[in-house]
Amino acid sequence: EVQLVESGGGLVQPGGSLRLSCAASGFTLSSYSMNWVRQAPGKGLEWVSYISTSSSTIYYGDSVKGRFTVSRDNAKNSLYLQMHSLRDEDTAVYYCARDWNFRGAFDIWGQGTMVTVSS
Amino acid sequence: QSALTQPRSVSGSPGQSVTISCTGTSSDVGAYNYVSWYQQHPGKAPKLMIYDVTKRPSGVPDRFSGSKSGNAASLTISGLQAEDEADYYCCSYAGRYRVFGGGTKLTVL
Repeated sequence: EVQLVESGGGLVQPGGSLRLSCAASGFTLSSYSMNWVRQAPGKGLEWVSYISTSSSTIYYGDSVKGRFTVSRDNAKNSLYLQMHSLRDEDTAVYYCARDWNFRGAFDIWGQGTMVTVSS
Repeated sequence: QSALTQPRSVSGSPGQSVTISCTGTSSDVGAYNYVSWYQQHPGKAPKLMIYDVTKRPSGVPDRFSGSKSGNAASLTISGLQAEDEADYYCCSYAGRYRVFGGGTKLTVL
């Protein structure tokens, strides 16, 4: 079965750090670009980051630029999001999503992992 | 990277058709034919319904269709069914970024 499974969420204090992971199974991660998308409680979807198949191209949304770092380990079929200097407004469910046509068609999503930033 | 504009809510009766609009700019929706639409039921991950403005992934009913004109895209759902009640989000490729709409809650009356 083709699936993505996120992990690493939890409660963190403002200014803290957290590393999210996304494990892919049922397909070869190295063949697809990947994205992180988040959703604050009761709010809409917000695109966070993009990483190309070989990690040669990386993009971030303005709200996380300079604080978040996306990476991948194709040998481990895994995607990561390192988050630093976390703020209250980073509280959200974080999804990893497969970009199957390299043009923003996110066809496979994980179940999401909740990140809560609070003192 | 401003969010695309969608109506907050739309509604329709079973069997009717509804259209959800998605307005962007000449830097995103207007610049590329890469608009996608997602359906999200409460507590669930989003599901891809339309990509590249008009294309449907395998398994998505042909009741769902997409279109675009200028800086605005639309999702039309015909023959509304109870299970179509959900939140719908548009998303546009924009080169160095992707941008979502604010979401539209569809209520099936």
